[in-house]
Amino acid sequence: DTGVSQNPRHKITKRGQNVTFRCDPISEHNRLYWYRQTLGQGPEFLTYFQNEAQLEKSRLLSDRFSAERPKGSFSTLEIQRTEQGDSAMYLCASRRGTTRNEQFFGPGTRLTVL
Amino acid sequence: DQQVKQNSPSLSVQEGRISILNCDYTNSMFDYFLWYKKYPAEGPTFLISISSIKDKNEDGRFTVFLNKSAKHLSLHIVPSQPGDSAVYFCAPTQGGSEKLVFGKGTKLTVNP
Repeated sequence: DTGVSQNPRHKITKRGQNVTFRCDPISEHNRLYWYRQTLGQGPEFLTYFQNEAQLEKSRLLSDRFSAERPKGSFSTLEIQRTEQGDSAMYLCASRRGTTRNEQFFGPGTRLTVL
Repeated sequence: DQQVKQNSPSLSVQEGRISILNCDYTNSMFDYFLWYKKYPAEGPTFLISISSIKDKNEDGRFTVFLNKSAKHLSLHIVPSQPGDSAVYFCAPTQGGSEKLVFGKGTKLTVNP
């Protein structure tokens, strides 16, 4: 396992700009998740993919946020018209199979909106 | 509405002693409970889990206890080592949902 990778690791942007993050899950993991973590809080669930299908979305995922997993492999998370409140660590996780098991997390992308 | 509470933001213990981290939850539908630890600038790393059909699960120095009637679980680390210093998150989930619901975490410091 090479682990879950995320790019970029850090992103600084100005308010109103669009940003896109990429997540490469562990190979053969068909389930992929996005979470957001702000200072002093635990990660908060954003959305979940099984293969290329987006099956679960949080109310936190406003219409400025969109996630895709076009071929059931890597995923992208785009934030349009960023706001200062979007500043956070964006975490991606993956897991395989239908049995209950753990999600493996990537190192995250830290977004700072100026 | 915080479904998962880790009421101790921080905990400090001496190397070799026991560390006990607590977690309370309100959602009775939670049926699978995971603990993650997180080092600075890294993603959370899975530590141990327990299903609601059990009341104890052990893996080396780590043991998780589940008290369903009290909606309470705890993580015991024995003996504690300086490398265990990290933030520990309790993260339950429920059948039919893929999302983990994280607490705010407890920062454990193990002093040499």
